Amino acid sequence: EVQLVQSGAEVKKSGESLRISCKASGYRFTDNWISWVRQMPGKGLEWMGKIDTSGSYTKYSQSFEGHVTISVDKSISTAYLQWSSLKASDTAIYFCAREGGTAMVKNWGQGTPVTVSS
Amino acid sequence: QSALTQPASVSGSPGQSTTISCTGTNTDVGYYEYVSWYQQHPGKARKLMIFDVTKRPSGVSIRFSGSKSGNTASLTIAGLQAEDEAYYYCSSYTRYDTIIFGGGTKLTVL
Repeated sequence: EVQLVQSGAEVKKSGESLRISCKASGYRFTDNWISWVRQMPGKGLEWMGKIDTSGSYTKYSQSFEGHVTISVDKSISTAYLQWSSLKASDTAIYFCAREGGTAMVKNWGQGTPVTVSS
Repeated sequence: QSALTQPASVSGSPGQSTTISCTGTNTDVGYYEYVSWYQQHPGKARKLMIFDVTKRPSGVSIRFSGSKSGNTASLTIAGLQAEDEAYYYCSSYTRYDTIIFGGGTKLTVL
């Protein structure tokens, strides 16, 4: 069974750094790209960026480029999303997603709530 | 890029058909045949219902179908059932090698 298990909820202050994780199992990790998706309170889904898990090539949405970094550790089948300096507007739930080829998402993580206070 | 445009809500009675639209531009929905649809029940994981505009993953009911005309994609649900009440999101690959989502539509089965 394919699973994407994300790290737990985080409460941070503005200016702090953060890295959240997404551990994959049940398939060959390097076969599929991983995307990260944001859902702000009461809002829809926003695609943030993706990573080629076999080669670490990344592509970011213009809205997020320069503010977040996506990375992987193939040895432990884990993808990461990190911030060097959080803002209150980063308060949201963040989902990792396993892509299926033509930009479809085959599997979703359970979401990591991030709360940033000013 | 702005989000794809979906109606905030649609409704229908059991047994009827309903259609949810997803409007983009000629750089996303209109550019590729790579539109997907997801269903989400409250507190549950999102489920892929349609990919590549018209294809159904194994296990998805044939009551769900997808189509596209120009810059607008559509998800049609035939023979509405109470269990279809959920949020539905569309997404599209773009010419910029990115993905864009719609804002989501709440389907209410009356």
